[in-house]
Amino acid sequence: DGGITQSPKYLFRKEGQNVTLSCEQNLNHDAMYWYRQDPGQGLRLIYYSQIVNDFQKGDIAEGYSVSREKKESFPLTVTSAQKNPTAFYLCASSNWKEGELFFGEGSRLTVL
Amino acid sequence: KQEVTQIPAALSVPEGENLVLNCSFTDSAIYNLQWFRQDPGKGLTSLLLIQSSQREQTSGRLNASLDKSSGRSTLYIAASQPGDSATYLCARGGVSDMRFGAGTRLTVKP
Repeated sequence: DGGITQSPKYLFRKEGQNVTLSCEQNLNHDAMYWYRQDPGQGLRLIYYSQIVNDFQKGDIAEGYSVSREKKESFPLTVTSAQKNPTAFYLCASSNWKEGELFFGEGSRLTVL
Repeated sequence: KQEVTQIPAALSVPEGENLVLNCSFTDSAIYNLQWFRQDPGKGLTSLLLIQSSQREQTSGRLNASLDKSSGRSTLYIAASQPGDSATYLCARGGVSDMRFGAGTRLTVKP
């Protein structure tokens, strides 16, 4: 089955630690995205990538980093510089031409 | 500044009712308008995508329309069922610039 796989589903982190969230897709999509969702708010774009080895900052990129070494993979690192990292993180991908977004099941990060 | 607004924030209806969810946006130069469903603690499931050259899309009991001139989209759900209970989000924009509303939380009571 084609889809987007995010791991881990739940992650706990101590203050000052970096953590990396995994996102893998087998939909052969060119574009991949990371969003953050907070209670009562819409999704906010962190980073996106249209092709391998290229990515762009979204609205709230500070304290986050990404890489796109393979078409299928777009990992997100939440660094210690992110002041309020507790949130639900969603990875998405799309076919550049059609534009329909597809999402993974999300990763919930809690900072202790 | 909120660019995509969804009203109401929450809605409760009895089973079998037809209902309409609203989405408004400030930028009329949109590319796509997409509706999603989100169950608690889960990712978003794509329901319908209306591309900028289209006015509506239908899938089963769902129908979504897009009026760019007024900056509005509606999601019509026919004969609602308890299984339709979820949060519904709309998003507008281009592939690299999708803007999301905060969602409407729908509860369908048996």
